Amino acid sequence: EDQVTQSPEALRLQEGESSSLNCSYTVSGLRGLFWYRQDPGKGPEFLFTLYSAGEEKEKERLKATLTKKESFLHITAPKPEDSATYLCAAVNFNKFYFGSGTKLNVKP
Amino acid sequence: SQTIHQWPATLVQPVGSPLSLECTVEGTSNPNLYWYRQAAGRGLQLLFYSVGIGQISSEVPQNLSASRPQDRQFILSSKKLLLSDSGFYLCASQTLSSYNEQFFGPGTRLTVL
Repeated sequence: EDQVTQSPEALRLQEGESSSLNCSYTVSGLRGLFWYRQDPGKGPEFLFTLYSAGEEKEKERLKATLTKKESFLHITAPKPEDSATYLCAAVNFNKFYFGSGTKLNVKP
Repeated sequence: SQTIHQWPATLVQPVGSPLSLECTVEGTSNPNLYWYRQAAGRGLQLLFYSVGIGQISSEVPQNLSASRPQDRQFILSSKKLLLSDSGFYLCASQTLSSYNEQFFGPGTRLTVL
């Protein structure tokens, strides 16, 4: 069964405390792994796409990496404005399989 | 870049009433379109997707239906709402030229009482 699992469900960090979010996937015919940020009451905002194992993408304090079984979203020296729910999705053909997200809370 | 519009932003409806949510897309042509539902604190559940006008694939059997009357218009409907239909409904658009990214609309918060 194609599915995506994210961990942890929730993560509380102090400002400046680096950490990683995990996205494990079992999706046949993977064509891409996507990371989104979602603020409360809003639609997800696209962050990164990764297409092959070993690929890395960076944007400000975020770096996404991909292996054949999982993806990590590394957050370096987070700030309170990084607080949000982070979703990952694996896509094959026309279908996106979303994880349930990691809710990140960064305290000042 | 694409812009996805959804309306209404919020909706409160009684059980048994009909539903129509609309999604329109700007800035692209011939997109794949998707309807998702997100329960509080949960991930996105794919409801329907469409690869072209009049082409609808249903992922979850339920009392909802979708239609795509125009290339950049996607409508989610119900004849009789259930309490369990409450949630946050998101429309998404995907164009192959954008390397498969899915872009999301702002969502509609539906509460069924």
